[in-house]
Amino acid sequence: AQSVAQPEDQVNVAEGNPLTVKCTYSVSGNPYLFWYVQYPNRGLQFLLKYITGDNLVKGSYGFEAEFNKSQTSFHLKKPSALVSDSALYFCAVRALPVLMDTGRRALTFGSGTRLQVQP
Amino acid sequence: NAGVTQTPKFQVLKTGQSMTLQCAQDMNHEYMSWYRQDPGMGLRLIHYSVGAGITDQGEVPNGYNVSRSTTEDFPLRLLSAAPSQTSVYFCASSYSSSGGREQYFGPGTRLTVL
Repeated sequence: AQSVAQPEDQVNVAEGNPLTVKCTYSVSGNPYLFWYVQYPNRGLQFLLKYITGDNLVKGSYGFEAEFNKSQTSFHLKKPSALVSDSALYFCAVRALPVLMDTGRRALTFGSGTRLQVQP
Repeated sequence: NAGVTQTPKFQVLKTGQSMTLQCAQDMNHEYMSWYRQDPGMGLRLIHYSVGAGITDQGEVPNGYNVSRSTTEDFPLRLLSAAPSQTSVYFCASSYSSSGGREQYFGPGTRLTVL
């Protein structure tokens, strides 16, 4: 079974400071990893993903994430936080597909981390 | 493109009532799925479909049915609503079921079962 842990329910950071939202995962084999953001009363929006290659992935709105295979982590980062970054962030994992194993295609989400950026 | 659309946005049901949550996408996506979002639990997969005529169960399928007669539509049916089904429901789609494709989410349906 695959799983995702987001150990922090909430992260508080001052505007202009760097931010990190943590994510660790467990999956058999190599993972596909995703970050999504959810603004109030909205659906989830895709931010970035790791498939293969460079461990540092850049995404929308200045966000980036670093894949660390040995630590099974995929932390979301941004060098300078904005008040408008305040939202709920979800990490998700999917194992690379095994032939005829349709169950492996499902995404597993973490419980979410609320990011609060103070002016 | 309208993307992924869901109706209704809000719904209140009494215990035992049935209803269908509608989901449609206009991106010709092969893969569609339904999630429920509950506080502190993230999103949990209810059912998914890898193409028209093909559906499968996710993590929490009990009390829900789905069908996929067309590529565009993927309705979720609650056969006999229960208070435990009070939640926010999201439909999502992606180009294919291969692992690297990101999903596009609808705006959600907030369901309350009394």
